[in-house]
Amino acid sequence: DAGVIQSPRHEVTEMGQEVTLRCKPISGHDYLFWYRQTMMRGLELLIYFNNNVPIDDSGMPEDRFSAKMPNASFSTLKIQPSEPRDSAVYFCASRSGGSDTEAFFGQGTRLTVV
Amino acid sequence: AQSVTQLDSHVSVSEGTPVLLRCNYSSSYSPSLFWYVQHPNKGLQLLLKYTSAATLVKGINGFEAEFKKSETSFHLTKPSAHMSDAAEYFCVVTRRPSYSSASKIIFGSGTRLSIRP
Repeated sequence: DAGVIQSPRHEVTEMGQEVTLRCKPISGHDYLFWYRQTMMRGLELLIYFNNNVPIDDSGMPEDRFSAKMPNASFSTLKIQPSEPRDSAVYFCASRSGGSDTEAFFGQGTRLTVV
Repeated sequence: AQSVTQLDSHVSVSEGTPVLLRCNYSSSYSPSLFWYVQHPNKGLQLLLKYTSAATLVKGINGFEAEFKKSETSFHLTKPSAHMSDAAEYFCVVTRRPSYSSASKIIFGSGTRLSIRP
């Protein structure tokens, strides 16, 4: 398996534009996580899914952020409208099974909003 | 509720000397604990994990960690630091909300490890 695949790797956009980040989890994994990493806040869990169902989205900063998982092999994180403070590295991770299994991370998407 | 605290934001050691990165956890049930490493501008890689088997866990690159329930600690150690160990290290615990059996992964704030020549 190629691992967790995120696209794009880098995104530069203007304030107010819509941004969509994409993630393909490892085949067979039933959990998918979206994290945001910044110098100020470290790694924050935004939302996670189990069997394509959102379980906890309490980490989503505000209504400008939304995430979907239409099927087991694809998820998106959308920011609309984007703001400079959204600039960060966004990681997607997937995991199979229970709480004692490790998560595998994608390489991240570095988002810059100017 | 489960949470994890990394006691040092930055640790600096000389090459060839021991490494100790400290982590304390709180958990209302037997936790699953992990250490991840992140090299500059890279993704996160699993170093090792504890899942209620042996309390001393060996990981990759010569790292190991010991689960101490009495101290609620899961400190990461390495006998001899190498320049390539310079990275950010995260202690991680899994947590399950009360309304679901689906557990989530909670990261500590991270410890930046620097290696002096």
